[in-house]
Amino acid sequence: AQKITQTQPGMFVQEKEAVTLDCTYDTSDQSYGLFWYKQPSSGEMIFLIYQGSYDEQNATEGRYSLNFQKARKSANLVISASQLGDSAMYFCAMRENSGYSTLTFGKGTMLLVSP
Amino acid sequence: EPEVTQTPSHQVTQMGQEVILRCVPISNHLYFYWYRQILGQKVEFLVSFYNNEISEKSEIFDDQFSVERPDGSNFTLKIRSTKLEDSAMYFCASSEMGQVNTEAFFGQGTRLTVV
Repeated sequence: AQKITQTQPGMFVQEKEAVTLDCTYDTSDQSYGLFWYKQPSSGEMIFLIYQGSYDEQNATEGRYSLNFQKARKSANLVISASQLGDSAMYFCAMRENSGYSTLTFGKGTMLLVSP
Repeated sequence: EPEVTQTPSHQVTQMGQEVILRCVPISNHLYFYWYRQILGQKVEFLVSFYNNEISEKSEIFDDQFSVERPDGSNFTLKIRSTKLEDSAMYFCASSEMGQVNTEAFFGQGTRLTVV
């Protein structure tokens, strides 16, 4: 079974609008962390936001927020006021408490922001 | 701001040749990782390294792969006899600790092309 599922291969949004990128996860650990990374066309992986399994509040970092629904095992990324520079691939990833906490990535969602 | 640096940014090699990919993790970090991303696919875990030894490795990390921390700063990935299917972007990452809430910082990646 997939540990991280991103069901949207591609998303389109107009500049200045908000967009939600979906992520569901599967783990039996009680303690885990969820991460979102952005990968622009240049290829680097840029950390965006983190949500811990025990965090009661949804994480926010500037225009990024995480809609964390633990019972549904979902951790959707919300980007508010989209900018052209937000066009990139977005990966959801998880670190579990077991092992040495390696990151498991989803397949990613390509976001295109249009003027 | 401290960052993970990888060299070279691009490497083209002939099938059967050995390649060494180099990484300089962030200086106070203790956990080091290699990931790879085949073009258009998700990021896959290869190996984690802690306390001068491999702590975890994936099925991809077979006998053709090895990692080393030859001095206090470098962390290398060696592929002994490259195959066409080794063509991918290789990312080095490091984190301060191994807990689930610890962010992993990624380098810019090395794009390896095997011809």
